[in-house]
Amino acid sequence: AQKITQTQPGMFVQEKEAVTLDCTYDTSDPSYGLFWYKQPSSGEMIFLIYQGSYDQQNATEGRYSLNFQKARKSANLVISASQLGDSAMYFCAMREGLGTGNQFYFGTGTSLTVIP
Amino acid sequence: DSGVTQTPKHLITATGQRVTLRCSPRSGDLSVYWYQQSLDQGLQFLIQYYNGEERAKGNILERFSAQQFPDLHSELNLSSLELGDSALYFCASSGPPSREGQGGELFFGEGSRLTVL
Repeated sequence: AQKITQTQPGMFVQEKEAVTLDCTYDTSDPSYGLFWYKQPSSGEMIFLIYQGSYDQQNATEGRYSLNFQKARKSANLVISASQLGDSAMYFCAMREGLGTGNQFYFGTGTSLTVIP
Repeated sequence: DSGVTQTPKHLITATGQRVTLRCSPRSGDLSVYWYQQSLDQGLQFLIQYYNGEERAKGNILERFSAQQFPDLHSELNLSSLELGDSALYFCASSGPPSREGQGGELFFGEGSRLTVL
């Protein structure tokens, strides 16, 4: 089974609107971390937001928030007030366990296009 | 600036050749990861090192090899290059998560863009 599933290959959103990018994960480890990364057309991978499995509240970083639903094993990224510069690929990732040097698992990504 | 340094940023070479990609992790990070991203594709995990030792192996071809040195920098060697090896190669490093599971995120270098002609 896939560790990380992103079911939306492409998404469009109107500028200034909010958008949700879906991510589901699969793990039996009670300790894990969930991450979102942004990859603009220039190619670099930019860390956006982190959610730990023991966190009681949803993570937020500026216009980014992570809708963490543990029972459903989902970790959706919500971008509020979309901007043209948000157009990029977005990758969801998971790190299992608390040990050092643990492997990360990435989804296939969602391409977001912000329409003016 | 993620703190992860990759060289070279761009590399153009011919089929059959061999290249070495270099990565310096963030200061203090013991884990180094290598990923391959072909055009319009996701990230393919290649290999991971922790403090000089191989920790996990992904879809890394036998023509590819890597190592992490005592000073924690890492090199990815690609040999007998084929057209299909053209890709963006990322190095990333991470520190350990906290006891409560916080952090431990991957920090990526800017990537080495390899073009095989």
